[in-house]
Amino acid sequence: AQTVTQSQPEMSVQEAETVTLSCTYDTSESDYYLFWYKQPPSRQMILVIRQEAYKQQNATENRFSVNFQKAAKSFSLKISDSQLGDAAMYFCGHNTDKLIFGTGTRLQVFP
Amino acid sequence: KAGVTQTPRYLIKTRGQQVTLSCSPISGHRSVSWYQQTPGQGLQFLFEYFSETQRNKGNFPGRFSGRQFSNSRSEMNVSTLELGDSALYLCASSRKMVRGGGTSTDTQYFGPGTRLTVL
Repeated sequence: AQTVTQSQPEMSVQEAETVTLSCTYDTSESDYYLFWYKQPPSRQMILVIRQEAYKQQNATENRFSVNFQKAAKSFSLKISDSQLGDAAMYFCGHNTDKLIFGTGTRLQVFP
Repeated sequence: KAGVTQTPRYLIKTRGQQVTLSCSPISGHRSVSWYQQTPGQGLQFLFEYFSETQRNKGNFPGRFSGRQFSNSRSEMNVSTLELGDSALYLCASSRKMVRGGGTSTDTQYFGPGTRLTVL
């Protein structure tokens, strides 16, 4: 069965600093996608970054990057140069035939 | 390109009533998925529709149903509402990619959600 685990319910970071959010998953599939979504107070789910399992290179989108360890089934999100607007709930998702989410990590950013 | 739209945005119903929520996907997207988000259970997958057929279903009672039309718009229906059905209902659309002998859903783009309150 697909499972996604986010072990950090809350994280905090100082503005301009770097923070890493953790995610592990379990699957028997070899072909899948992994995602990080951001949900600000507006509740709109916004795609942050995605990783295709067959690609060894870690995905990067501006200040956001991932550390994808396929053998360890780990998919962490690194946010560099944190900004106040990064404050939100972050959900890790794993997709084979359906998208399964973790329980989320609430990120606070302090000035 | 317009994003995913959901109507209505807010809804208040009483126990025992039924409700229909609507979702219009991004143009060209043929897959629509529905999710329920509650503080206690988090984000849970309800079902996915592709080409007017339900392709996948989560672990929800039969009171939750859906359908998809030929233009890919989707509706979900909840009958005999219970207090526990109060939630944010999110719809997401995606292309359906065919890869390596099987199909896999590509990136899902979410709508703003419908906030359902059951009194």
